[in-house]
Amino acid sequence: RKEVEQDPGPFNVPEGATVAFNCTYSNSASQSFFWYRQDCRKEPKLLMSVYSSGNEDGRFTAQLNRASQYISLLIRDSKLSDSATYLCAAHPGTASKLTFGTGTRLQVTL
Amino acid sequence: GAGVSQSPSNKVTEKGKDVELRCDPISGHTALYWYRQSLGQGLEFLIYFQGNSAPDKSGLPSDRFSAERTGGSVSTLTIQRTQQEDSAVYLCASSLAGIRGYEQYFGPGTRLTVT
Repeated sequence: RKEVEQDPGPFNVPEGATVAFNCTYSNSASQSFFWYRQDCRKEPKLLMSVYSSGNEDGRFTAQLNRASQYISLLIRDSKLSDSATYLCAAHPGTASKLTFGTGTRLQVTL
Repeated sequence: GAGVSQSPSNKVTEKGKDVELRCDPISGHTALYWYRQSLGQGLEFLIYFQGNSAPDKSGLPSDRFSAERTGGSVSTLTIQRTQQEDSAVYLCASSLAGIRGYEQYFGPGTRLTVT
């Protein structure tokens, strides 16, 4: 089983819709979680960090469910510019490395 | 402020040649990571440097790959005797130490093509 798993998608949603992705992690010691956005042929860019139960930034909300070992990313009022691949990452909280999922592709259409 | 920079942005090399890729982390960041990403694939961890600790080399795919970090700042990733399967984008990231130290910031990558 992969340490961090994501549904690869693609998720095709109309502009204005609300969409949510889940990301499951297998290491129960994971303390910190991150969502990155990656546009085609570009580097990943940090979107949100989650250190406790969740985080909200404008149209984006991340929720952490430690009991079920997943984090979610909710995007409200989707824009065409939200089309990208969204990478989830988990960190065990020790001097170690982030583990990334393979990403979920979102396509927002007119 | 300045972000992570990488050079070259593109590199085309012949099979069997050696290549060096460079990464300049964000000033003050003590942790530095190398990843590679093949077309349409996820990030593959290669190596991780944290301060003066011994690097975590667990992701290096073969002994043809090596990396060093000089003076706790600039890092070079060296691939010897390149093979076609080494073609990928090589991404470098850096982070601060501490609880927020796990927020990694990526450079634009070096696109390596082995012909």
